[in-house]
Amino acid sequence: AQKVTQAQTEISVVEKEDVTLDCVYETRDTTYYLFWYKQPPSGELVFLIRRNSFDEQNEISGRYSWNFQKSTSSFNFTITASQVVDSAVYFCAPLLMYSGGGADGLTFGKGTHLIIQP
Amino acid sequence: DGGITQSPKYLFRKEGQNVTLSCEQNLNHDAMYWYRQDPGQGLRLIYYSQIVNDFQKGDIAEGYSVSREKKESFPLTVTSAQKNPTAFYLCASTGTASTDTQYFGPGTRLTVL
Repeated sequence: AQKVTQAQTEISVVEKEDVTLDCVYETRDTTYYLFWYKQPPSGELVFLIRRNSFDEQNEISGRYSWNFQKSTSSFNFTITASQVVDSAVYFCAPLLMYSGGGADGLTFGKGTHLIIQP
Repeated sequence: DGGITQSPKYLFRKEGQNVTLSCEQNLNHDAMYWYRQDPGQGLRLIYYSQIVNDFQKGDIAEGYSVSREKKESFPLTVTSAQKNPTAFYLCASTGTASTDTQYFGPGTRLTVL
């Protein structure tokens, strides 16, 4: 069975600070995909990034960056110069593959509630 | 505008009643999913469908039923057999490959009175 651990239940920082959200997953699969989603107070999940298990390059998108370490099964997310609008719950979610190449649904962690104080 | 719509946004039901949640997408996506979210928790997969007239159970399918008669629609029925139905329900869809990104609707918050 797959498992996702987001050990930080809640993080509170002051605006403009950098913050890193941790994600550790368990899988015996060699092929899988990793996602991060943001859930603002409205409730809708907003897609942030998709990464496959063969691509270990770090990725930067504006103030967001992701560090994928396959050897430690971690896929951490960093927000640089945080802003109040970044306040939300963030979910890490692996998509694990069948042996035939298909997949079913995402496996979600419990999420990290990020609070950015002005 | 392309997207996923869920209705209603809030739903109240009396204990013992069945209720159906709507999910429609105009993205021409093949696969659709239903997830449940409880307070302070992540999402859990209820059912998913990769093609019309076919669907599979997810991790918590007991007490729920679905249908997929049209590509753009994937309604979820919460039956009286679901012991604790109060939750936030999210529908998602994805393109031709099951590994594509799942995009989510705005959700329906169901409360059982």
